[in-house]
Amino acid sequence: SAVISQKPSRDICQRGTSLTIQCQVDSQVTMMFWYRQQPGQSLTLIATANQGSEATYESGFVIDKFPISRPNLTFSTLTVSNMSPEDSSIYLCSVVLGVSYNEQFFGPGTRLTVL
Amino acid sequence: AQKITQTQPGMFVQEKEAVTLDCTYDTSDPSYGLFWYKQPSSGEMIFLIYQGSYDQQNATEGRYSLNFQKARKSANLVISASQLGDSAMYFCAMREDSNYQLIWGAGTKLIIKP
Repeated sequence: SAVISQKPSRDICQRGTSLTIQCQVDSQVTMMFWYRQQPGQSLTLIATANQGSEATYESGFVIDKFPISRPNLTFSTLTVSNMSPEDSSIYLCSVVLGVSYNEQFFGPGTRLTVL
Repeated sequence: AQKITQTQPGMFVQEKEAVTLDCTYDTSDPSYGLFWYKQPSSGEMIFLIYQGSYDQQNATEGRYSLNFQKARKSANLVISASQLGDSAMYFCAMREDSNYQLIWGAGTKLIIKP
């Protein structure tokens, strides 16, 4: 398995501000994902972050709102920009292990509340 | 169309009883994998068990087993001898080999009663 840490674990932010979430993995991984989980909902994929290339965003998510960095194989950041109360969610990073993609692990999540 | 269906929004189960959480899926991809995750109130997503579409035997991990019925396209999670700490949201997810993304069900909230 992989040990994944996220910072911050939670935050309360004012609308219009930005928050950068860090994700650190204890091993080198190629594929890293960022998810959003709105209250009472399932997970929604924001983007896939592969080292050495631009992140690939899913429909409904744009780079200006959710810029992502992936400077190496163990670290990534997700920024939630110009926040509004609708951005209040749990944000989770996730990594895939194994060539057959049968192991996918998640970080502990960042619980964001926007006032 | 829903690709992953979890028909039980919530369940109450007596402690020490076995629990079956339902999951049905829909795919035309012959090669795929099915995942179960547990999400306690803390918010972390904990990987429980994986079943590959070509696996001959049902997956087991400790008290967790996956009742995989390929023809019926169901992948129910069975928790034996439930414990109070099993109270959480449980999500079923699928990955088709043609697409690396996980497709998620809506989840089932399980509450274990003492």
